[in-house]
Amino acid sequence: DTGVSQDPRHKITKRGQNVTFRCDPISEHNRLYWYRQTLGQGPEFLTYFQNEAQLEKSRLLSDRFSAERPKGSFSTLEIQRTEQGDSAMYLCASSALSGGAVTDTQYFGPGTRLTVL
Amino acid sequence: GEDVEQSLFLSVREGDSSVINCTYTDSSSTYLYWYKQEPGAGLQLLTYIFSNMDMKQDQRLTVLLNKKDKHLSLRIADTQTGDSAIYFCAEDVSGGYQKVTFGTGTKLQVIP
Repeated sequence: DTGVSQDPRHKITKRGQNVTFRCDPISEHNRLYWYRQTLGQGPEFLTYFQNEAQLEKSRLLSDRFSAERPKGSFSTLEIQRTEQGDSAMYLCASSALSGGAVTDTQYFGPGTRLTVL
Repeated sequence: GEDVEQSLFLSVREGDSSVINCTYTDSSSTYLYWYKQEPGAGLQLLTYIFSNMDMKQDQRLTVLLNKKDKHLSLRIADTQTGDSAIYFCAEDVSGGYQKVTFGTGTKLQVIP
């Protein structure tokens, strides 16, 4: 079990460019989450997948943001026309509700730090 | 609405107990969590408590929940230097799929 991985770990881009981040969850985890964390703040929920279905999107996820999980395994988060306010750490987490469990544990990846110049 | 508040900083001496406090506003929270974040590392779930419980103990960790006052606390007994990190309180109001609202985090500094 290699844990949740995210790629790249760091991304520096110029305002107006598009960026795409990838998250590989723990294998066989059916739930996948994206969060954004800015300096000095806690993570903010962005969106959630169960298998390949995107079940909820936060109001924080403007139309410049899109997330996919095409085969129910890895996920991508794309930001189009980046703005300086998009600079943050983007965290991915995955979980799997086991039989008999009352709640599932989210396992977080190390994050992708985005800097928009 | 959902709002989770924590004090920003706590400093304790090694061997003492640490108590990190959190207040939340949404009375429909089903689960409340404590996460630990170390520099350069991902968030790690430490423990959670179901909303119908008052207390949960797990080795050095004790979680107290006062639902009337919407107050959650995490007590770390015999605090070690390895406990230095940022601790986040979080609430799940989604009733199961963990749409979680995090607090701003409390930075715990343990002085040797």
